Amino acid sequence: EAGVTQSPTHLIKTRGQQATLRCSPISGHTSVYWYQQALGLGLQFLLWYDEGEERNRGNFPPRFSGRQFPNYSSELNVNALELEDSALYLCASSLGDRDTNYGYTFGSGTRLTVV
Amino acid sequence: AQSVTQLGSHVSVSEGALVLLRCNYSSSVPPYLFWYVQYPNQGLQLLLKYTSAATLVKGINDFEAEFKKSETSFHLTKPSAHMSDAAEYFCAVSAGGRISTSYGKLTFGQGTILTVHP
Repeated sequence: EAGVTQSPTHLIKTRGQQATLRCSPISGHTSVYWYQQALGLGLQFLLWYDEGEERNRGNFPPRFSGRQFPNYSSELNVNALELEDSALYLCASSLGDRDTNYGYTFGSGTRLTVV
Repeated sequence: AQSVTQLGSHVSVSEGALVLLRCNYSSSVPPYLFWYVQYPNQGLQLLLKYTSAATLVKGINDFEAEFKKSETSFHLTKPSAHMSDAAEYFCAVSAGGRISTSYGKLTFGQGTILTVHP
């Protein structure tokens, strides 16, 4: 069984540009979560999507947005990139709303570098 | 609100020695607790989880953790460290029902880097 897959593995962008990160959940999982792991800031919750809807959002500005597609894959978009957006972005998935408190499976992440 | 405190950002042990990584949590409702491990340049791998069943939880690679409500702790232990255990370990808490702003959100501790010496 394939795990959570994220693409690209690495992404280099210039300040002010937009970045798009992609995530495919484990087959059968309907929930997708996004986390940011920035140096010195630890792991911060960004977004949770389930069945195509945004279910919860962390304390991030609106330029961090995303969506979930009918096949449950997800995109994270970061607009107007700032240097401090440089981080490892982790995607995770779970069976869905009823399973969300039981932990989830993480992908290997996308390393975003803003220069 | 929920929070996690991991005591000690770095822990160093000798190969074969006991591993003890400390985690204390705060939650206004009964929590679900997790330990994840992260190897360099990789994502997070779930080691074990407490979901209100047995208080002593066994995980992969001989790791285990004990939920102690009175101490609000969920410390991670392993009887004998291996070189391959060197990694960063994260304790996390999930709590709150559907009407909670914390629903679906894992709150992580700051992590503990485990170094294993030969």
